Amino acid sequence: DVQLVESGGGLVQSGGSLRLSCAASGFTFSSYSMTWVRQAPGKGLEWVSYISSDSGTIYYADSVRGRFTISRDNAKNSLYLQMNSLRADDTAVYYCATASGWYFQSWGQGTLVTVSS
Amino acid sequence: QSVLTQPPSVSGAPGQRVTISCTGSSSNIGTGYDVHWYQQLPGTAPKLLIYGNNNRPSGVPDRFSGSKSGTSASLAITGLQAEDEADYYCQSYDSSLSSWVFGGGTKLTVL
Repeated sequence: DVQLVESGGGLVQSGGSLRLSCAASGFTFSSYSMTWVRQAPGKGLEWVSYISSDSGTIYYADSVRGRFTISRDNAKNSLYLQMNSLRADDTAVYYCATASGWYFQSWGQGTLVTVSS
Repeated sequence: QSVLTQPPSVSGAPGQRVTISCTGSSSNIGTGYDVHWYQQLPGTAPKLLIYGNNNRPSGVPDRFSGSKSGTSASLAITGLQAEDEADYYCQSYDSSLSSWVFGGGTKLTVL
């Protein structure tokens, strides 16, 4: 079974940094594109970033471009999101998910990031 | 303001049929990008419910179906059950934004 487990969330001050990780198992991680999606408390889903299977194609939402960096280590079956210059509106649960073309097939349970001002 | 527009809430009695609409524009649904639907049960992560407008992943009951026409799409749920009470999100891709986009979500209440 596909399993995605996020970690690295927590409380950080505005302007600070945090690195999220997503450990993948149960599938051939190196064959799948991956994505990060976030959900602010009580709000809807927002796509954050996408990375292709070989890291050759990377996209970011306008709201995080220049501050967040997505990466992956296929040897470690892991996906990462480096978040810098964090703001209060970055407060959200961050989910990693497999990206099967244009949709998001399997999701992790999420990790909560809280940015205090 | 979400790029895709969904009603904030819908409701129905057990056994009934409900539909959830998702309205986009010529830069996303209207230009041919597929619509996908996710179900988020209370306190859990989203789960893929419908992909490619009308395809169900393995394990999703055939009570759930999707359709797309023009710049809009719909999710239909027949034989409503208490366990269907959740938030539902539509999703597509927007060529003007070069971004994957979601609807604002619809809360389904089973009366």
